[in-house]
Amino acid sequence: EVQLVQSGAEVKKPGESLKISCKGSGYSFTSYWIGWVRQMPGKGLEWMGIIYPGDSDTRYSPSFQGQVTISADKSISTAYLQWSSLKASDTAMYYCARRFGIAARRAPFDYWGQGTLVTVSS
Amino acid sequence: EIVMTQSPATLSVSPGERATLSCRASQSVSSNLAWYQQKPGQAPRLLIYGASTRATGIPARFSGSGSGTEFTLTISSLQSEDFAVYYCQQYNNWPPNTFGGGTKVEIK
Repeated sequence: EVQLVQSGAEVKKPGESLKISCKGSGYSFTSYWIGWVRQMPGKGLEWMGIIYPGDSDTRYSPSFQGQVTISADKSISTAYLQWSSLKASDTAMYYCARRFGIAARRAPFDYWGQGTLVTVSS
Repeated sequence: EIVMTQSPATLSVSPGERATLSCRASQSVSSNLAWYQQKPGQAPRLLIYGASTRATGIPARFSGSGSGTEFTLTISSLQSEDFAVYYCQQYNNWPPNTFGGGTKVEIK
């Protein structure tokens, strides 16, 4: 069974750093792109970026380029999303999701993590 | 960046009725269009990909159509569990694979 299990909720102060995780199981982690999606409170879905764990090829939405860093450790089948200096506007639910199809470059997300709620408040 | 526009923002429908949701792309995305359902407190779920192919386990009352810039999701007979927010997403051009703003289907 394919599963993406994300790390737990975080409460941080502005200016702090943070790294959240997404562990894949039940499939070949290195063969599928993993993306990150932001959902701010009461709002829609925003595509942030995506990584191919097989070779760490990473692409970002222009809206998020330079604001976050996406990485992966294929030895433990885990993808990461990190911030070096959080802002209150980073408060949101963050989902990881697997792109459908082996090494697919044009595909939707077929499996999603349960989400990680990040709250940034002074 | 391709902009995806969904309409209406909210759709009020009685159980058993048909719901028709629209999604428009700012430029052609061919048939590289997906629909997702999201219920409160849950992650999105893939319903339709390739504009018209149902994902595994999705009931036949969900159907998708369209290509190019105009797409439709139809729910033929709304069940209680179908009241949710629906998002379209293009995956033809990236980054990013943009989402629409969503349509909330609520009980009339």
